[in-house]
Amino acid sequence: DGGITQSPKYLFRKEGQNVTLSCEQNLNHDAMYWYRQDPGQGLRLIYYSQIVNDFQKGDIAEGYSVSREKKESFPLTVTSAQKNPTAFYLCASSIQKGPNQPQHFGDGTRLSIL
Amino acid sequence: AQKITQTQPGMFVQEKEAVTLDCTYDTSDQSYGLFWYKQPSSGEMIFLIYQGSYDEQNATEGRYSLNFQKARKSANLVISASQLGDSAMYFCAMRTNNAGNMLTFGGGTRLMVKP
Repeated sequence: DGGITQSPKYLFRKEGQNVTLSCEQNLNHDAMYWYRQDPGQGLRLIYYSQIVNDFQKGDIAEGYSVSREKKESFPLTVTSAQKNPTAFYLCASSIQKGPNQPQHFGDGTRLSIL
Repeated sequence: AQKITQTQPGMFVQEKEAVTLDCTYDTSDQSYGLFWYKQPSSGEMIFLIYQGSYDEQNATEGRYSLNFQKARKSANLVISASQLGDSAMYFCAMRTNNAGNMLTFGGGTRLMVKP
């Protein structure tokens, strides 16, 4: 079945450590997104990519980095510069053009600090 | 700038009754889309329904319908015949051409269905 796969489901980070969250899609979507969700809150955009080898910062990009070397993959690295990384991270993808296209989401990764 | 406001942090509804979840939006763009997503406690975001700014009819999708009032900039979600499985967080979101097709989310409403 087509969809978005995020891994791992749960991730723990030590102080000073970088960790990478995986996001893979087989929907042939051009655009991919990373969101952060804190408890009881809505989603905030971290980074997005509209095409391979190109990405832009969202509203809360500091302390995060991404790459988009393949259409199917958009990994997110939470660096040691992100001082409060504990959150739920959601990856999404969509057809690029037109405001009527919904974003489809993965099941998310819960990141916690050890 | 785009903004979505959901004024109901939490709501209760009796099983089998209908419930309306409020959403107001603000944008200067003429072409935009409004979306509702459901987020169960497991965390995944499930797309429910879409309304385009030029659509003249209110969107419907099974037990979900969208009460779209363009002049008031509101896009309320109506769930008919509530079921226990409808208990979840519900997010309203907007996407506009001029914002690079980015989704702007509201803060969400937690719906709890009582048996």
